[in-house]
Amino acid sequence: DQQVKQNSPSLSVQEGRISILNCDYTNSMFDYFLWYKKYPAEGPTFLISISSIKDKNEDGRFTVFLNKSAKHLSLHIVPSQPGDSAVYFCAAHNYQLIWGAGTKLIIKP
Amino acid sequence: NAGVTQTPKFQVLKTGQSMTLQCAQDMNHNSMYWYRQDPGMGLRLIYYSASEGTTDKGEVPNGYNVSRLNKREFSLRLESAAPSQTSVYFCASSAGTGVETQYFGPGTRLLVL
Repeated sequence: DQQVKQNSPSLSVQEGRISILNCDYTNSMFDYFLWYKKYPAEGPTFLISISSIKDKNEDGRFTVFLNKSAKHLSLHIVPSQPGDSAVYFCAAHNYQLIWGAGTKLIIKP
Repeated sequence: NAGVTQTPKFQVLKTGQSMTLQCAQDMNHNSMYWYRQDPGMGLRLIYYSASEGTTDKGEVPNGYNVSRLNKREFSLRLESAAPSQTSVYFCASSAGTGVETQYFGPGTRLLVL
């Protein structure tokens, strides 16, 4: 039973446009949500996070939105750049991190 | 400042063989973790160590043992490898076990034949 789901295995976006990555969760006890980015042959690196008491957090080109009633969060990247091509993992915290399966983002020039 | 290092980068084992995956961090972090990543799945926690001298089971601990050798080092041992343990293994560390950022090593790709 996957508590954190990323239903899109991959996403292709034109350079300069907005990338929107989605994540759904089932456990209402999650208190913190994080996005990590992973390049091939490297470990994941932290990107941005949001507390369950907020609905938006912004850091430069990256914004995370949280909709608790829908148990849904999304990561927006504006504008998308070629270096953003990577696998993006959503993770949720409740005593430990529970990870989604990841979405591979491809930015087309 | 190397962050989190893992050895080896790649290993092939035969069923029943044993091996130890090594992990070290130089960030003076209290907490360390071992994850496995399988195709189509998120990272799954095998074991973690909240602080030096303590270890606890994660989501998928069966078939593994760990040792927190000191504050810097956290090793993962497979006593009798099975094909189901073919995976990519990541070590991570963080200042604490709450929502602090976890810093990951580059991973060890393990193939069990």
